[in-house]
Amino acid sequence: GQQLNQSPQSMFIQEGEDVSMNCTSSSIFNTWLWYKQDPGEGPVLLIALYKAGELTSNGRLTAQFGITRKDSFLNISASIPSDVGIYFCAGNSGTYKYIFGTGTRLKVLA
Amino acid sequence: KAGVTQTPRYLIKTRGQQVTLSCSPISGHRSVSWYQQTPGQGLQFLFEYFSETQRNKGNFPGRFSGRQFSNSRSEMNVSTLELGDSALYLCASSVSTGTKNIQYFGAGTRLSVL
Repeated sequence: GQQLNQSPQSMFIQEGEDVSMNCTSSSIFNTWLWYKQDPGEGPVLLIALYKAGELTSNGRLTAQFGITRKDSFLNISASIPSDVGIYFCAGNSGTYKYIFGTGTRLKVLA
Repeated sequence: KAGVTQTPRYLIKTRGQQVTLSCSPISGHRSVSWYQQTPGQGLQFLFEYFSETQRNKGNFPGRFSGRQFSNSRSEMNVSTLELGDSALYLCASSVSTGTKNIQYFGAGTRLSVL
């Protein structure tokens, strides 16, 4: 099935460091969503983006809708141990069908 | 407001059996989507229902089917189970506001096929 390119695939960081990840698509999207998933649980919505260039924050998380509408970025500032998990991007082109990224597995070293 | 509820949380079946998973969406949400999540393939879209009608369908064999009831609750059925059907099955409900359509996920049903 179709998936978005998400990078990096995984990363180990020290507590307190900032984290950046991105998602790219060959198609233009109208909506970008970012989710976090803990083991054995469903993804939890973090941030939703609706127009090109939009920059939205949720606490220590900031996400941006790329101006080409084919990419999106998520930044986590001052990471803490509970940021551990898998982060997914998802894009939608208005068809009610979301395409998901391959995920970024984040591990935070205390 | 209660979130998306999926039952059961865990299931163990054997090859050849069939299984039915249930999803109750967030109150007021009329769209329900189903996804299969495996370590190798990530999140793969199965199908989406709105007002009891299937609107979108992913690239899965006909053994995977679903339906939605008038109260927006949805069920997913997999017949003639195969080992490769072992996965976390996620349901997401959404409501559209203009061009905004956000999906909220349930905790999933972990299906193991032996």
